[in-house]
Order: sequence, then C-alpha cells, then structure tokens
Amino acid sequence: DAKTTQPPSMDCAEGRAANLPCNHSTISGNEYVYWYRQIHSQGPQYIIHGLKNNETNEMASLIITEDRKSSTLILPHATLRDTAVYYCIVRDRTGANNLFFGTGTRLTVIP
Amino acid sequence: AAGVIQSPRHLIKEKRETATLKCYPIPRHDTVYWYQQGPGQDPQFLISFYEKMQSDKGSIPDRFSAQQFSDYHSELNMSSLELGDSALYFCASSRETGTYITDTQYFGPGTRLTVL
Repeated sequence: DAKTTQPPSMDCAEGRAANLPCNHSTISGNEYVYWYRQIHSQGPQYIIHGLKNNETNEMASLIITEDRKSSTLILPHATLRDTAVYYCIVRDRTGANNLFFGTGTRLTVIP
Repeated sequence: AAGVIQSPRHLIKEKRETATLKCYPIPRHDTVYWYQQGPGQDPQFLISFYEKMQSDKGSIPDRFSAQQFSDYHSELNMSSLELGDSALYFCASSRETGTYITDTQYFGPGTRLTVL
C-alpha cells in the first residue's frame, strides 16, 4: 500500500470547519483513500473513504484531487468531541487488506 | 448497530504468563484483523483471518498465535509475556463483498494488556 504524509498537528476553533490534508503521491489506480480517527485510546473509528470522486456522509466530506495525489478531509462544524488523531490511509481493497497507520494528524478543537 | 466486541477490556498479567484475548466480529462479517498499539505509538497490524484461514500476517511475534472459529469469532493467544507486550490490542472486522474484495474495517474498543 502507498504511504501517506499528514501534518503532525492542527488546531481548529469550535464551530469552524476543520480541513485535514493528506498527500499520497504514489497512490495506484486500485487504491482507495480511507480516513479513520482515534479518540484517546479508543478503537479507531471509520470516517469515510473514496476512490476518485468526492464523498460526503453524516460525519465528514472527502475531497480528492483530480490526479488523486492528495485529499482533504473536511469536518464542517468541528466540536470539542472531534479532538482526535486522524489517520489518512490508502488501501487496495484486494489482496492484503490490513491497514497501515502512519503517524496521523492530531487535531485539537479549541473552545 | 452491532459493533465489534472484545473481551476482556482490561487484563493484567505477570511476565512469562499467558493471555487470551477474544474478538466477536460484527454479525455477517467474515474477516477479522488484530492490531497492537504500544504506548504513544500508532496501531500496528498483527494478523488477519478470512473464513477461518489466516489471510495475512504482519509483525506478530512467534510467541503469539491466533485463530478464527466457525462462528467467526477470533482469539489471540499470547505466551511467555514480556513487559514490552503491554499495549492496547484492537480487533477489527469486515466482510468480503466480492472476489478478494473486502469492505471497510470496523474496530472494537480494544483490550488493554498490562504485563508486570
């Protein structure tokens, strides 16, 4: 699976949109972009995933660039409960299916 | 919706003892994964099973073994425990949706193992 690069930390004001970037310049055509988050010592929580089209669900939106070399996770109205480590993971859904967790972005939502 | 269940949630063992962690996947999920997260580290993949067969193997020590049973639950057996085995152990499950295509992994709450 391709590796990803994320900023180690970000702050966001409560109620504002949190935009978390991820670079995955070596992503291959079969690989999806997945986002998970981990709130202190809890199990990683699935947020969203996409292949090449932008995706939106009740938690977040995922914007993938046309060349698929980077993506942005958007939390539209961050709350204090969104404080967590956010992991961007690229994964081929065939073959080896384990997730490779990089260092992620520690998002702190500030009151 | 039903989630992944892990037991026990907390476990304290002495060095050189054995431990067994259990994972009950989401209903109708056929694939189980085990991850280890040491203090201050990111989760690391250990091993996975599909339809009771080992499907992939990561950085799992030889002292550890795992299996998946006919009801799809899985157990991680850890022997000769060392201080460095103290960690959070997460189980995740998913289902195969097509030939060699698996869906999203969903994680359980984890088991915190402390080795004294």
